[in-house]
Amino acid sequence: QMQLQESGPGLVKPSETLSLTCAVSGVSIISSSSHYWGWIRQPPGKGLEWVASIFYTGNTKYNPSLKSRATMFEDTSKKRFSLRLSSVTAADTAVYYCVRADCTSSSCLISYWGQGTLVTVSS
Amino acid sequence: QPVLTQPPSFSASPGESARLTCTLPSDINVGTYNIYWYQQKPGSPPRFLLYYYSDSDKGQGSGVPSRFSGSKDASANTGTLLISGLQSEDEADYYCMLWLTNAWVFGGGTKVTVL
Repeated sequence: QMQLQESGPGLVKPSETLSLTCAVSGVSIISSSSHYWGWIRQPPGKGLEWVASIFYTGNTKYNPSLKSRATMFEDTSKKRFSLRLSSVTAADTAVYYCVRADCTSSSCLISYWGQGTLVTVSS
Repeated sequence: QPVLTQPPSFSASPGESARLTCTLPSDINVGTYNIYWYQQKPGSPPRFLLYYYSDSDKGQGSGVPSRFSGSKDASANTGTLLISGLQSEDEADYYCMLWLTNAWVFGGGTKVTVL
């Protein structure tokens, strides 16, 4: 059974870079051309926001609101993927979820979620 | 990023029905997209409930009761999640979502309280 597990520092200082990793177990990241992998975040007490996603080809997409601060990439072992978010501010404080979506040409359902990891931006 | 609009809160008594709306921006036609619905309880990741495109193209999440259903109103450009026979366990936040070709867009969520 596929599982996703986020890891990373729980506290990041303003202006520094947030780095998170999602460990994937039970399936390879390149196992299917119908899978997207991504990051969704949720500020405390607020709603969900898409951050970034990556296709099995390595093609990445980012939320334009992040103004090019985000970088998502796969680990060469194909067993995990990562997110880096530069120049963080308090507004980046959130629970970060890694996800897997099952996609076709017209739909893309987020089927699996990690448990989420809280990242706080504070000095 | 377009914004999907959801009422922030809804409350009803057990056994009543809840109709939660998700309004799309005017430049996005609800008839063109699947509307996905997620339920989130405190401290847990969202859980997929269902998607709705049309009466002939819809799907329920694994283990999701049939009292959860979806619909669309083209005239209002909205998607709707209907919860029939509210139960105390339905108290949660509910989010609608669209896939806009390489980007996921979420509504702000509706907090459902079962009185």
